[in-house]
Amino acid sequence: KAGVTQTPRYLIKTRGQQVTLSCSPISGHRSVSWYQQTPGQGLQFLFEYFSETQRNKGNFPGRFSGRQFSNSRSEMNVSTLELGDSALYLCASSSLTSGGGADTQYFGPGTRLTVL
Amino acid sequence: DQQVKQNSPSLSVQEGRISILNCDYTNSMFDYFLWYKKYPAEGPTFLISISSIKDKNEDGRFTVFLNKSAKHLSLHIVPSQPGDSAVYFCAAVYNNNDMRFGAGTRLTVKP
Repeated sequence: KAGVTQTPRYLIKTRGQQVTLSCSPISGHRSVSWYQQTPGQGLQFLFEYFSETQRNKGNFPGRFSGRQFSNSRSEMNVSTLELGDSALYLCASSSLTSGGGADTQYFGPGTRLTVL
Repeated sequence: DQQVKQNSPSLSVQEGRISILNCDYTNSMFDYFLWYKKYPAEGPTFLISISSIKDKNEDGRFTVFLNKSAKHLSLHIVPSQPGDSAVYFCAAVYNNNDMRFGAGTRLTVKP
């Protein structure tokens, strides 16, 4: 089974621009979560999508948004980029079914975003 | 508000000795805990987990201990190997899939 894939792997943008990152989950996984990893802050939860609906959301400003398509692929968008948005953005998929117990997540390699 | 804390950013251990990585949490609603291991340029990979109804879970060289009253969990690796050198994240889950991570501890195992 192919793992979680994320594109692009590396991205350089300037302040004020917007960016869209893509994540393809493991086949059959319907839950996709996004995380931001920065030095000293560890992994911070952005949001989780399940069956095209945002189910959980972390404490990030509205500049961070996402969506999920019918094939479970997900995108996250960051508008009006700030220097502090430079980070590794990780996507994770899970086979969690509605009402199921806690499940382990499988992470992609991440997209390294640098904002200049 | 960081609900999951790993207070040691780094740990260095000699090969063959025990590595103990610690994690504290503040939210008593967490009911499932996991440890992830991350190598550079790769996403985190699941290592071991424990439910809040248990106080210990063992898998080969890896053992996770949970002390609910102290809101503390630890990961023991014994014996430590150079290939264990990585960043270790602890994670706590509530509401089935709402996961919070610690900041990570970089483990270096010296040959």
